[in-house]
Amino acid sequence: GAGVSQTPSNKVTEKGKYVELRCDPISGHTALYWYRQSLGQGPEFLIYFQGTGAADDSGLPNDRFFAVRPEGSVSTLKIQRTERGDSAVYLCASSRDSLGTGWSEAFFGQGTRLTVV
Amino acid sequence: GENVEQHPSTLSVQEGDSAVIKCTYSDSASNYFPWYKQELGKRPQLIIDIRSNVGEKKDQRIAVTLNKTAKHFSLHITETQPEDSAVYFCAAINTGTASKLTFGTGTRLQVTL
Repeated sequence: GAGVSQTPSNKVTEKGKYVELRCDPISGHTALYWYRQSLGQGPEFLIYFQGTGAADDSGLPNDRFFAVRPEGSVSTLKIQRTERGDSAVYLCASSRDSLGTGWSEAFFGQGTRLTVV
Repeated sequence: GENVEQHPSTLSVQEGDSAVIKCTYSDSASNYFPWYKQELGKRPQLIIDIRSNVGEKKDQRIAVTLNKTAKHFSLHITETQPEDSAVYFCAAINTGTASKLTFGTGTRLQVTL
């Protein structure tokens, strides 16, 4: 597709349930990022993939959060035993190369609004 | 790690006036500074960026200035229009050692008629 696509756009789940959020990056982009955005805040980094591997997962808040990118394209963010505090918009972004190359720019998806009730 | 502060949190200007949003960063090695615009319910979109080898960059009504010594950078919007109303985020990264952008907390700009 032309841009970064995230599904679902909205997800309401009960406390304690498991959820998966999907991100389809721009075709050919090797770098993929997950961010979390709470109301009134800037995006907060969660994890970065370069290809299939998680190059930096320092932003994952705890071991209930996990993400994969098995074929170097689509990525899934997985949250176990959801808590009300997990409610936020989860944003995915991709860039053609790592931002560390010094010239790539990051393109964002529209996000998945997760509500834990 | 990098820390980015952004001010003001809200800004209201009349159509046609200028708007300025300021950010400071903590890591003196940061060298890439993008600005994103996020309309309600939509994705953040890059509107302009600046690298540390220049002090100013312009694109039509939008300009960004960078002061490396003071570690701050600013977004300037001239001749504001109602469609400029949105939340604006600054970000910073040291592309030599990091691959993740650190964002400010955002500025909600309201352009009134």
